[in-house]
Amino acid sequence: QSVLTQPPSASGTPGQRVTISCSGSSSNIGSKTVNWYQQLPGTAPKLLIYSNNQRPSGVPDRFSGSKSGTSAFLAISGLRSEDEADYYCAAWDDSLSGPVFGGGTKLTVL
Amino acid sequence: EVQLVESGGGLVQPGRSLRLSCAASGFTFDDYAMHWVRQAPGKGLEWVSGISWNSGSIGYADSVKGRFTVSRDNAENSLYLQMNSLRAEDTALYYCAKGRLGELSRPLDYWGQGTLVTVSS
Repeated sequence: QSVLTQPPSASGTPGQRVTISCSGSSSNIGSKTVNWYQQLPGTAPKLLIYSNNQRPSGVPDRFSGSKSGTSAFLAISGLRSEDEADYYCAAWDDSLSGPVFGGGTKLTVL
Repeated sequence: EVQLVESGGGLVQPGRSLRLSCAASGFTFDDYAMHWVRQAPGKGLEWVSGISWNSGSIGYADSVKGRFTVSRDNAENSLYLQMNSLRAEDTALYYCAKGRLGELSRPLDYWGQGTLVTVSS
């Protein structure tokens, strides 16, 4: 059971906009910034969004993040086949004194 | 180019020990926190341990506290994870990851390819 809660799956067709949610509590998302990681099949995770809505260099602006209260959201617009991957949210947790991850959302591009 | 190369994984019996290493290059190692994150087969990501730039702040997941010890050698640009009293549930791909800054709480901006640890009799 992960500390942060994500839907196990999401899907969309090419060109669509998809949103993935991440729910936490006051000890993590409610008081800390949220990061998102993308894990393509058979590869290591990659930082996709940090500090709620910042994109590292090289990440397309099709990817955006937001936060409201104890929930965070990852939006992917103009969906492409290469976006098919597992997406994980994460945040520092003051109660656990470490970062916590969501269980991951498997995105399928139909 | 940032590179993180893990080594030391393998098949080990329950109750035995293993030491993982992570060789870092392409950045000023002693400026950044470093972490170990694991992924059991077919499962999600689980943070295992982290160590700040100067080893002044160290953290462990409850699942490994008292059994695993993280350390770093800034002169050798290396991160280590000593794993004792291994259990079947420790079976996973272990990733070395770099923090975005020196403190433990920062996001993990680069990851290695992982080293597989299998605990089985």
